[in-house]
Amino acid sequence: GESVGLHLPTLSVQEGDNSIINCAYSNSASDYFIWYKQESGKGPQFIIDIRSNMDKRQGQRVTVLLNKTVKHLSLQIAATQPGDSAVYFCAENRESGGGGNKLTFGTGTQLKVEL
Amino acid sequence: DAGITQSPRHKVTETGTPVTLRCHQTENHRYMYWYRQDPGHGLRLIHYSYGVKDTDKGEVSDGYSVSRSKTEDFLLTLESATSSQTSVYFCAMGTSGDNEQFFGPGTRLTVL
Repeated sequence: GESVGLHLPTLSVQEGDNSIINCAYSNSASDYFIWYKQESGKGPQFIIDIRSNMDKRQGQRVTVLLNKTVKHLSLQIAATQPGDSAVYFCAENRESGGGGNKLTFGTGTQLKVEL
Repeated sequence: DAGITQSPRHKVTETGTPVTLRCHQTENHRYMYWYRQDPGHGLRLIHYSYGVKDTDKGEVSDGYSVSRSKTEDFLLTLESATSSQTSVYFCAMGTSGDNEQFFGPGTRLTVL
């Protein structure tokens, strides 16, 4: 069946180091892959997305890499800060018939930044 | 967050009772979504709306119904709550062609 999953449930990094969060997907037909961040007690917040015909996209301190050959998605965070501590979800976009975006989320990775 | 609120924020109810959760947005977004979040499952789409009175099912719609009589309000109803519906419920809004959905603060529902 279709699934979006994560390799590691918890990732601990030192402040200032780079973080890499991984995600495996199985639905090759998805048009977009997206990363969301969820801080404790809050709703998820959009970070960055990548279209399925791209390999790499950069944002502010974040880079998303897409490897369609092995169906793998990663989020790289440069110079990780304490404020980056959160749960990170990958998601895939299956467009609805009405034009909205039906997202399928992975199970999440907890990122802990150690001082 | 981002002009979207949910009420109530917390609710405890008993099995078999009806429950309605409300999502209200002030951004005039066309699309609205209801998700539930459970440990080990991430967020799962329950129902979504692509306009007033236009709704469709998500992947976990059994036991839930929705209504959207106005652009700004999207209601989620549990007709007869069960313990398996204990969860945190998130509402979100968005625009067509944009992967960014803006989420509300969530409602923690406990069904005893």
